[in-house]
Amino acid sequence: DAKTTQPPSMDCAEGRAANLPCNHSTISGNEYVYWYRQIHSQGPQYIIHGLKNNETNEMASLIITEDRKSSTLILPHATLRDTAVYYCIGPMEYGNKLVFGAGTILRVKS
Amino acid sequence: EAGVAQSPRYKIIEKRQSVAFWCNPISGHATLYWYQQILGQGPKLLIQFQNNGVVDDSQLPKDRFSAERLKGVDSTLKIQPAKLEDSAVYLCASSFSGSTQYFGPGTRLTVL
Repeated sequence: DAKTTQPPSMDCAEGRAANLPCNHSTISGNEYVYWYRQIHSQGPQYIIHGLKNNETNEMASLIITEDRKSSTLILPHATLRDTAVYYCIGPMEYGNKLVFGAGTILRVKS
Repeated sequence: EAGVAQSPRYKIIEKRQSVAFWCNPISGHATLYWYQQILGQGPKLLIQFQNNGVVDDSQLPKDRFSAERLKGVDSTLKIQPAKLEDSAVYLCASSFSGSTQYFGPGTRLTVL
């Protein structure tokens, strides 16, 4: 079973920042948090991952709390094409297996 | 760089028939995964290969599902015989070092 908790859905206005929360209270000190998203009728797409420091790439920023029990994925300027299911995964199972929960459906609205 | 390729994209069969899916991972990726995604749920891992060896097939229904990766590159997933509850999207993913996984577009299977 997935070891993360995410809200089932969120709405965001186009052009605004989308902040997607995730709780991963069972994560240990050397386990990464991964974020993927799945746009309708496509395979999941890797977004970003982090251990303890905040991370940023061309797609998003990842803010991890100091106790590492939760994180927030930030899409700084959401567009309609960011409408998707966002999955937070952490920790990975033994053998680097991803265990997906139900994720958060993000709807970006104009 | 080419992504993970899968074929066919769509398949419709009747129950008790057999079906096979094909996956070509990203070049150089040693680890290959097959997932099943039922409508409204997240993907569930069926089997994981490291080169041509099976790392984990604990979630694979072995009475009807089989998978192989004979030369450590391409892989096929077979269902024989199919049941109605096998209707799902079958996703293939690959990774270089076993961490970040890259997914293909999936094969949508409908069993009637």
